[in-house]
Amino acid sequence: KAGVTQTPRYLIKTRGQQVTLSCSPISGHRSVSWYQQTPGQGLQFLFEYFSETQRNKGNFPGRFSGRQFSNSRSEMNVSTLELGDSALYLCASSLYPGRGTEAFFGQGTRLTVV
Amino acid sequence: AQTVTQSQPEMSVQEAETVTLSCTYDTSESDYYLFWYKQPPSRQMILVIRQEAYKQQNATENRFSVNFQKAAKSFSLKISDSQLGDAAMYFCAYRSVNYGGSQGNLIFGKGTKLSVKP
Repeated sequence: KAGVTQTPRYLIKTRGQQVTLSCSPISGHRSVSWYQQTPGQGLQFLFEYFSETQRNKGNFPGRFSGRQFSNSRSEMNVSTLELGDSALYLCASSLYPGRGTEAFFGQGTRLTVV
Repeated sequence: AQTVTQSQPEMSVQEAETVTLSCTYDTSESDYYLFWYKQPPSRQMILVIRQEAYKQQNATENRFSVNFQKAAKSFSLKISDSQLGDAAMYFCAYRSVNYGGSQGNLIFGKGTKLSVKP
């Protein structure tokens, strides 16, 4: 069974640009969550999608957005990039949201904003 | 709001020895889940062990076990017979029970970097 696939693995963008990251969950998983990981702030929750609906959103500005498609694949978009957006972005997939269901993580996308 | 605290930024253990990583959390909920995740240099987060708050029995997974003290809001991870491959960042995480509500995300501690000496 294929794991969680995130593309691209690495990205370098310039301030002010926008970026789209992709996450393909494990087959059969319908819940996808996104996290931002930085040395200073650690792992912070961005948003969670289930059956194409955003169920939960973290405390991030509106520049951060996401969506989920009917095949459960998810994308997140960051507009008007700032230097502080440089981070490792992790995607996690689960059968269902919440509870004790295990979240399986991808290897992340390393975004560098210059 | 729930918080998770890992007070040991770095730990070191000799190969084959035992090490305990600490984690405390704050919550007003009575039902929740706790997790330990491992993040090796490859960056992929891997679930090590999971504990359900309503279960008093401490979870174990091979060489990994937890000491769950609900009243003290403490959730430590013990790694026995440490191996070189155990070297990684370890994150403690909390998750609310999500009975159709909106709060189901993982809340992570800052992590503990574990080094294993040969």
